[in-house]
Amino acid sequence: EDKVVQSPLSLVVHEGDTVTLNCSYEVTNFRSLLWYKQEKKAPTFLFMLTSSGIEKKSGRLSSILDKKELFSILNITATQTGDSAIYLCAVTETSGSRLTFGEGTQLTVNP
Amino acid sequence: EAGVAQSPRYKIIEKRQSVAFWCNPISGHATLYWYQQILGQGPKLLIQFQNNGVVDDSQLPKDRFSAERLKGVDSTLKIQPAKLEDSAVYLCASSLVRGQGLGKLFFGSGTQLSVL
Repeated sequence: EDKVVQSPLSLVVHEGDTVTLNCSYEVTNFRSLLWYKQEKKAPTFLFMLTSSGIEKKSGRLSSILDKKELFSILNITATQTGDSAIYLCAVTETSGSRLTFGEGTQLTVNP
Repeated sequence: EAGVAQSPRYKIIEKRQSVAFWCNPISGHATLYWYQQILGQGPKLLIQFQNNGVVDDSQLPKDRFSAERLKGVDSTLKIQPAKLEDSAVYLCASSLVRGQGLGKLFFGSGTQLSVL
C-alpha cells in the first residue's frame, strides 16, 4: 500500500522566516508527487514533480524531488501570515490518477 | 471558469440517520473523485468515476456508502446509516481526463459532516 509521511506535523514561525516542509513516500510504481495548500477546506494545487533534481518555483515557494531517496521538500521563503495553512503532499502511481495523501503539515505564521 | 460546486456546506445528523452530498464538477471534466478527510488526517479517496463509470471504489465502505454519477456530470454520495466515525469533511474533486495532469485535481469546498 502506498504511504506518504510528512514532517513536521505542525510548525509555528514568525513572518519573514523561511520554512522547509518534508515529504517522504513509498509507492510501488511512482509517477508524480504533488503539493497542495489547504486553507479552510478546499486544497489548491501548488506543484507537481515527476523528475528528480528539478526545482519548481512559484514566487516565494519552491519544491524539489529526490526519486532516489524518495522524498520531496517544499520551501517557503519570507513567510507571510497568508501562508498559514495545511500543506499536503500526495503521490500518484503509473496505474491510475488516485492521489495518496500524507497527513499534512499545519503551518502557522505569526505577525 | 466556475469551480467544483458542492452542497450542503455543513450537515449535522444523528447516528443511524442517512445523508446525501451533491457535487457538480468543472464543466468538461470527465473524472470525478470523492475524498473523505477526517480531522488531522489527509484526504482519503472513497470513489473515482470516469464519466459515469466507476474506476476505483476499493476504499468505499460499501455496506453504508454509495455514490452515483448519472449522465457523467453531477454526482451524489450517500451514507446510510451514518456512524459516529463518519464525521469528516467530504471533498469532491474533478480532473480533465483520467490520468491527465498526473494527479492535478481541482477540489470543491467540501461538506463538513458531524454525526452525533
